[in-house]
Amino acid sequence: GENVEQHPSTLSVQEGDSAVIKCTYSDSASNYFPWYKQELGKRPQLIIDIRSNVGEKKDQRIAVTLNKTAKHFSLHITETQPEDSAVYFCAASSGSWGKFQFGAGTQVVVTP
Amino acid sequence: DSGVTQTPKHLITATGQRVTLRCSPRSGDLSVYWYQQSLDQGLQFLIQYYNGEERAKGNILERFSAQQFPDLHSELNLSSLELGDSALYFCASSVADGELFFGEGSRLTVL
Repeated sequence: GENVEQHPSTLSVQEGDSAVIKCTYSDSASNYFPWYKQELGKRPQLIIDIRSNVGEKKDQRIAVTLNKTAKHFSLHITETQPEDSAVYFCAASSGSWGKFQFGAGTQVVVTP
Repeated sequence: DSGVTQTPKHLITATGQRVTLRCSPRSGDLSVYWYQQSLDQGLQFLIQYYNGEERAKGNILERFSAQQFPDLHSELNLSSLELGDSALYFCASSVADGELFFGEGSRLTVL
């Protein structure tokens, strides 16, 4: 089955700097790669996603890149702000027929 | 509000007991997923249902079971509870292979 590895487990950045989180997946059938943000005690919420027919997607300060050949995808947050502090999860899915597998999460701390 | 409703929000029970967690997916969503999140841990996939049928299984213990009913709501049954079962249990729903919408979670405390 699908296995998703996520690095780093914790990431401390200065406000205004960039943050990068990387994930790898094992199932070549995976075709949907979302990123979720979870604030303390709250539910995970989608912040950006990408499908296997696209190499990069941007939404304001966040972007996701996908390398299907290497089976890895990354989240990039630019101009980080204190409100970006949260746990970020990557995930991979091969559609409604398969598991929706999450990475272990990255605790991001943005210090002013 | 994601449109996914989970009850109860909090539950405290004793070891050896049995509890049922309930999830109502977003209107129109056929897929329901259950995840377990222990303290400071990730989202452990338990099980997925699609239109009433079990579609995928993760690291779900034999003491746990789930089902999805004809009206598409789902229940997760946890029996012979142990201290280690204390966690936040999330239900999520999706249309097919798109975004997962999470409920607020059911926080289970086993004493």
